[in-house]
Amino acid sequence: QVQLVESGGGVVQPGRSLRLSCTASGFSISDYAMHWVRQAPGKGLEWVAVIWFDGSNEFYADSVKGRFTISRDESKNTLYLHMNSLRPEDRAVYYCARDGLVGATRVSFLDHWGQGTLVTVSS
Amino acid sequence: SSELTQDPSVSVALGQTVRITCQGDSLRSSYAGWYQQKPGQAPVLVMYGKHNRPSGIPDRFSGSSSGNTASLTITGAQAEDEGDYYCNCRDSSANHLVFGGGTKLTVL
Repeated sequence: QVQLVESGGGVVQPGRSLRLSCTASGFSISDYAMHWVRQAPGKGLEWVAVIWFDGSNEFYADSVKGRFTISRDESKNTLYLHMNSLRPEDRAVYYCARDGLVGATRVSFLDHWGQGTLVTVSS
Repeated sequence: SSELTQDPSVSVALGQTVRITCQGDSLRSSYAGWYQQKPGQAPVLVMYGKHNRPSGIPDRFSGSSSGNTASLTITGAQAEDEGDYYCNCRDSSANHLVFGGGTKLTVL
C-alpha cells in the first residue's frame, strides 16, 4: 500500500539549514506530483511546495520562496525539502503528500500523507 | 483572492446532520478537497472532486459545490467524526494549493 515516511526534522538555530526527506513506497514518485505541507503548532495547514511528476517544474509558497528547495531522487523514490535561512516562524510539522492525480501538471488534492516531521527553529 | 474561508468551529448532535462550508473565489474554477485531522495525526482525505469519496470513507460523508462555496456534509454524525476539517483547492495559477483555516467539529 501507499506509504510516505518523513525524516530529518529536529532543532536548528535561526539562519541555519536543514534537509527533510520523504521516502515513498507502494508507488513511484515519477508518476505523481509531490507536495510539502506544514502545520505550525496549534495552527492550520499551509501548503509549502510542489514538484511535478516529471520533475520539470517546482512551485513554492511566497513564505518560503527563495529559501526552500524541493527536489527528488527517483532512484531512491524519495522527496526532499532543502530549507535554508530558517526562521522561528518556520517551526512546524512538515508533511509530504502525494497529489491525487497521476501525471498531472496542475495541483489538485492530496490523497496520501506522511506522518510528519517536526522542525523547531530556536537559538 | 486565493484565500479560502471556513467557520472556525461547528457542533452537531450525535446522529444529526452537519454541513461544513468553504468559501473562496478559487472555488469558482476548481473543486475542493476535504481533509479530516484528528489530534496528533496527519490529515486524511475524505472528499475530492465533484463528489468523490476515497476508499474507506463512510458514505455519510458527501460533498457539494455552488459558485464560490464548497460544502462537506456529514449525515448522521458519529463520535469518531470529531476533529478538524480543512478544505483546499488550487489557486488561479493552478500551480499552488491553498487551504482554508480549518473547522473544528464537535459531536455532542
